Amino acid sequence: RKEVEQDPGPFNVPEGATVAFNCTYSNSASQSFFWYRQDCRKEPKLLMSVYSSGNEDGRFTAQLNRASQYISLLIRDSKLSDSATYLCVVTFNNAGNMLTFGGGTRLMVKP
Amino acid sequence: DVKVTQSSRYLVKRTGEKVFLECVQDMDHENMFWYRQDPGLGLRLIYFSYDVKMKEKGDIPEGYSVSREKKERFSLILESASTNQTSMYLCASRGLTGEQYFGPGTRLTVT
Repeated sequence: RKEVEQDPGPFNVPEGATVAFNCTYSNSASQSFFWYRQDCRKEPKLLMSVYSSGNEDGRFTAQLNRASQYISLLIRDSKLSDSATYLCVVTFNNAGNMLTFGGGTRLMVKP
Repeated sequence: DVKVTQSSRYLVKRTGEKVFLECVQDMDHENMFWYRQDPGLGLRLIYFSYDVKMKEKGDIPEGYSVSREKKERFSLILESASTNQTSMYLCASRGLTGEQYFGPGTRLTVT
């Protein structure tokens, strides 16, 4: 079983739709959680950190469920520019030095 | 803004050549990382460094070495390039709250 698992998609949604991705992790001692966005042939860029209480940044909402060991990302009012691969990222060791990446979920927003 | 730069965007080398990939960050971060990213395999950690002259192996260190002589610079070395090292190489540095910032990547082709 992979340490961090995501549905690879693709998720094809129309503009304006709401879409949600989930990510499960296997290590209950996981420390920190992030969502990254990666455009085709570009580097991953930090989208948002995920806090225990949940957090929101504009159209994006991230949630953490430690009991069930998953994190989620909700995108409201999807834009064409949201089309990308979204990577779920978890740190496992105490120093938080090392990130473990999920395989990514591909989102395609259509006009 | 954090800036992580890599010496080359695209590189073509022959089998058996020694290859140097350089990475520089401007945020005085202590921790730096080298990953490779391949289709279907996601991001995999090759080496990381938590201080000058300190290094630790990641998940796939075989065939690679690293050098960290200055805090801002972290180099990845392919001692004798092989075709299975054709990949996208990504450097990252770690911020204060555990997030990592990536350079633009080097797409290496070994022929």
